[in-house]
Amino acid sequence: QSALTQPRSVSGSPGQSVTISCTGTSSDVGGYNYVSWYQQHPGKAPKLMIYDVSKRPSGVPDRFSGSKSGNTASLTISGLQAEDEADYYCCSYAGSYPLFGGGTKLTVL
Amino acid sequence: QVQLQESGPGLVKPSETLSLTCAVSGYSISSGYYWGWIRQPPGKGLEWIGSIYHSGSTYYNPSLKSRVTISVDTSKNQFSLKLSSVTAADTAVYYCARLRAMVSYYFDYWGQGTLVTVSS
Repeated sequence: QSALTQPRSVSGSPGQSVTISCTGTSSDVGGYNYVSWYQQHPGKAPKLMIYDVSKRPSGVPDRFSGSKSGNTASLTISGLQAEDEADYYCCSYAGSYPLFGGGTKLTVL
Repeated sequence: QVQLQESGPGLVKPSETLSLTCAVSGYSISSGYYWGWIRQPPGKGLEWIGSIYHSGSTYYNPSLKSRVTISVDTSKNQFSLKLSSVTAADTAVYYCARLRAMVSYYFDYWGQGTLVTVSS
């Protein structure tokens, strides 16, 4: 199975909004509402930010939101802050197993 | 608070078997949920290795299936990974995580990760 497709990098200035896309197929992203997003700072473990496409775990700021259209899921971060600079990974259920995206490096300018 | 902690050798020789254990605290494995292993080669992305249910049912990444064994020890509240015939390509940070896979599907708690280097 191939990894989900994410842009290698995105950037934005503090206060702006950025959107990270995650493209799969009808067998994964498009077939289930089970897309999750993880934030990973250097040397740290991934942290769950969004699950089931658009749900936020307790403690995650509402600046983080998720959506999906067809075979593409998106993570939007509004009101960018310096601490949002990190790698972001999407993950989708693909019918008995999870499939991760290649990761996107977010730079806060 | 659920906590996971990986342990095992940080250096494994090529062709040998990599063995890691994930100790879980704050939650009893036998109460439910799936438990998984994910790895991340240096500078690269995340790759799911496999998952196990508390009953012992396992699911493996098809690309690693022939070399992977995941087991659970509910008496010690831990689960383990064995990866055989390792090569340098298996060098990675290995994470254990809890997988919520009933009605939803996501990894909610992660260990801190442990770096395993394959080298002679």
